[in-house]
Amino acid sequence: GESVGLHLPTLSVQEGDNSIINCAYSNSASDYFIWYKQESGKGPQFIIDIRSNMDKRQGQRVTVLLNKTVKHLSLQIAATQPGDSAVYFCADSFGNEKLTFGTGTRLTIIP
Amino acid sequence: DAGITQSPRYKITETGRQVTLMCHQTWSHSYMFWYRQDLGHGLRLIYYSAAADITDKGEVPDGYVVSRSKTENFPLTLESATRSQTSVYFCASSESPGWVPLHFGNGTRLTVT
Repeated sequence: GESVGLHLPTLSVQEGDNSIINCAYSNSASDYFIWYKQESGKGPQFIIDIRSNMDKRQGQRVTVLLNKTVKHLSLQIAATQPGDSAVYFCADSFGNEKLTFGTGTRLTIIP
Repeated sequence: DAGITQSPRYKITETGRQVTLMCHQTWSHSYMFWYRQDLGHGLRLIYYSAAADITDKGEVPDGYVVSRSKTENFPLTLESATRSQTSVYFCASSESPGWVPLHFGNGTRLTVT
């Protein structure tokens, strides 16, 4: 992940709609990518991961898309619910080295 | 319950005091990490440990000391706290450093006055 400055990007989505959260990474050699969800007052919680030999991976209501050409990662959340409100951030690593974290996007669900 | 536990959850201390943040994990993971989280910087790695008695510096190690005498514990000590160390501190553990998810604790919010 890469820094995006002092203020978290925000995304507001109507309840029931799909959400797409984006992340740019800087190391073209990164081979492992991961998304975390962080609710207020809690630690980051693992959502889904993907290796560089894949373009897409699906979980329960979530899909991660990896575009290595433009070094872009996205997290899609289907049918967003109030409990999806949180900060989401990506991380990447290369060669089993330590993860590098982005600063995150705040997702707000509008009832 | 299995997991990773941090204590205390909240701590207020004065500049110059020594303070230790505790971290305990029940998974027997080899790797443990300490991060600090500040607005605009995301998670920054302070120190990590690959096994008992093996520790290494991360991105922002200055002013911090760690030890790991047992696999399950990884305390972080601020030897002489400064206001710039006001932050939320997260401990994490994993089976390897980069290719698997890290499991995080719920953090310690430290305020240095």
